[in-house]
Amino acid sequence: GIQVEQSPPDLILQEGANSTLRCNFSDSVNNLQWFHQNPWGQLINLFYIPSGTKQNGRLSATTVATERYSLLYISSSQTTDSGVYFCPDSWGKFQFGAGTQVVVTP
Amino acid sequence: DAGVIQSPRHEVTEMGQEVTLRCKPISGHDYLFWYRQTMMRGLELLIYFNNNVPIDDSGMPEDRFSAKMPNASFSTLKIQPSEPRDSAVYFCASSLRQASDEQFFGPGTRLTVL
Repeated sequence: GIQVEQSPPDLILQEGANSTLRCNFSDSVNNLQWFHQNPWGQLINLFYIPSGTKQNGRLSATTVATERYSLLYISSSQTTDSGVYFCPDSWGKFQFGAGTQVVVTP
Repeated sequence: DAGVIQSPRHEVTEMGQEVTLRCKPISGHDYLFWYRQTMMRGLELLIYFNNNVPIDDSGMPEDRFSAKMPNASFSTLKIQPSEPRDSAVYFCASSLRQASDEQFFGPGTRLTVL
């Protein structure tokens, strides 16, 4: 199956800072989704983004399918952004990577 | 819609006991997925259904695990007998028309096997 590599593996931010998370894939991106798993374990849908750019408030995502990567931008980070971010892609079923652990400090 | 519903939210049991986890997908969704999350292995897909029919169970760890979907609004994941290494968070998810469509996850069931 398709392999996903997320970077950085860990990120510590001060509240208000901006950051970019990246996912690289072993093959052309098919159906990519960004999730945020909050510290309570809940998996929250952020974006369904097979290609192009989407924005939702302080978050935006860009996927370049032919270049096999996707980016998640977090602007003006808040402590509620803490958690793990996943970007599974699917060739019939989602394959999750290790995620990026984000800690936003006050 | 209430989203994907899972029960129980927490389960503590002793080794050797039978455990049944339950899931109600979002109404109208054709696909249902069961995932397991552990520190060691991360999030892994166990099995998924299309219109109540199991499509891929290659992720089911062993014969002690079984899953059913008797109707479009209900699925169970059963472990019999349970072992301490089964301790994990089990998530159920559903998607609308294709396995590759946007997936929506339930809150998960945290299972502890003593």
